[in-house]
Amino acid sequence: GDSVTQMEGPVTLSEEAFLTINCTYTATGYPSLFWYVQYPGEGLQLLLKATKADDKGSNKGFEATYRKETTSFHLEKGSVQVSDSAVYFCALGHASGGSYIPTFGRGTSLIVHP
Amino acid sequence: DAGITQSPRYKITETGRQVTLMCHQTWSHSYMFWYRQDLGHGLRLIYYSAAADITDKGEVPDGYVVSRSKTENFPLTLESATRSQTSVYFCASSEFRGETQYFGPGTRLLVL
Repeated sequence: GDSVTQMEGPVTLSEEAFLTINCTYTATGYPSLFWYVQYPGEGLQLLLKATKADDKGSNKGFEATYRKETTSFHLEKGSVQVSDSAVYFCALGHASGGSYIPTFGRGTSLIVHP
Repeated sequence: DAGITQSPRYKITETGRQVTLMCHQTWSHSYMFWYRQDLGHGLRLIYYSAAADITDKGEVPDGYVVSRSKTENFPLTLESATRSQTSVYFCASSEFRGETQYFGPGTRLLVL
């Protein structure tokens, strides 16, 4: 079955540092890939997504590129802010073929210090 | 307001009681999902629904019942609550299969 593996946290950074959160996946076919963010006390919300190989999703300074050859979708940001402190989830879903059930990683907590 | 809402936001109950968590979305999305979130387990899918009157089990369905008589509502019932069902419950919806999911704010349930 499908699976998503993301680096364990927490990731602790100083403000303006470079961020990378690794995500790799196992899936049949050609799933769409997502990054969701969860702020304290809230539900998850979409951060960015990519629907096919080599697509780059971007939003709020975050980027991730769909790499089929390495089955990866690493999240990056050039300069993090305190307000980026949250839990980040990598996920995949199939629009056709494969499982009807979306697959989420375990989540990576990011803590940014001033 | 448009969006996805959950009620109640907080609930305290006792072991053995029946509890129903409500979920309502205003977009007429086909797919709806119930997850529970626990420390150390991430998000786990309880049930999902592809359309009205179509539901299916997820990863951890035992002890839960769902129904979907209307597209916009997807209630989750704990028939006889147990302490292990203490968790944060999230409802989500998506327009199409495999597409972006939109999550509600969550219900924090404590079973004493």
